Amino acid sequence: GAVVSQHPSRVICKSGTSVKIECRSLDFQATTMFWYRQFPKQSLMLMATSNEGSKATYEQGVEKDKFLINHASLTLSTLTVTSAHPEDSSFYICSAARDSLYEQYFGPGTRLTVT
Amino acid sequence: AQSVSQHNHHVILSEAASLELGCNYSYGGTVNLFWYVQYPGQHLQLLLKYFSGDPLVKGIKGFEAEFIKSKFSFNLRKPSVQWSDTAEYFCAVGGYGGSQGNLIFGKGTKLSVKP
Repeated sequence: GAVVSQHPSRVICKSGTSVKIECRSLDFQATTMFWYRQFPKQSLMLMATSNEGSKATYEQGVEKDKFLINHASLTLSTLTVTSAHPEDSSFYICSAARDSLYEQYFGPGTRLTVT
Repeated sequence: AQSVSQHNHHVILSEAASLELGCNYSYGGTVNLFWYVQYPGQHLQLLLKYFSGDPLVKGIKGFEAEFIKSKFSFNLRKPSVQWSDTAEYFCAVGGYGGSQGNLIFGKGTKLSVKP
């Protein structure tokens, strides 16, 4: 149990367009999901905490208007990168918390390339 | 800012060798400590975690880690590695007073086990 999926696994988009990434908990309900970003050879950095039915909490330095998060159900959170630029190219990973906020199950990640 | 340091970027071992991967964190208060593993092409999986109690924590697949508060360390160990342990290992810290559920990750240590 405790499987988290992400879709798409890879996406290439043009500069100025928006991209939506989905994160789903497949076999459990997750009140809280997290979105991380990972640059090459760097550690995962938390971008925001997504709570079902309420506004996401963004970490310092993360533009909330650029990275829109919606957690409309207990099994789905979406991250939309708006007006994407090449510097937004990265690996985006979500996690879903099951029994506690620190029991997080990770998705496989989405590779975003902005050309 | 809180940080997590993993001492080795890449470790190469032969099968049956013993493994110890270093992890140090900077926060002096109560923390939750984790080791995650990412096998090639797969998502992050929890190896073990420490919240409180016995500082020697046993995880899956024969891994263990020891929390030494005075050294701010949480090193990962395995007495005899196998080729299937080839993966990237991430140490993470939570509960440092930041956002609930926020995990700070180290940069990861790539382990290559030669058959």
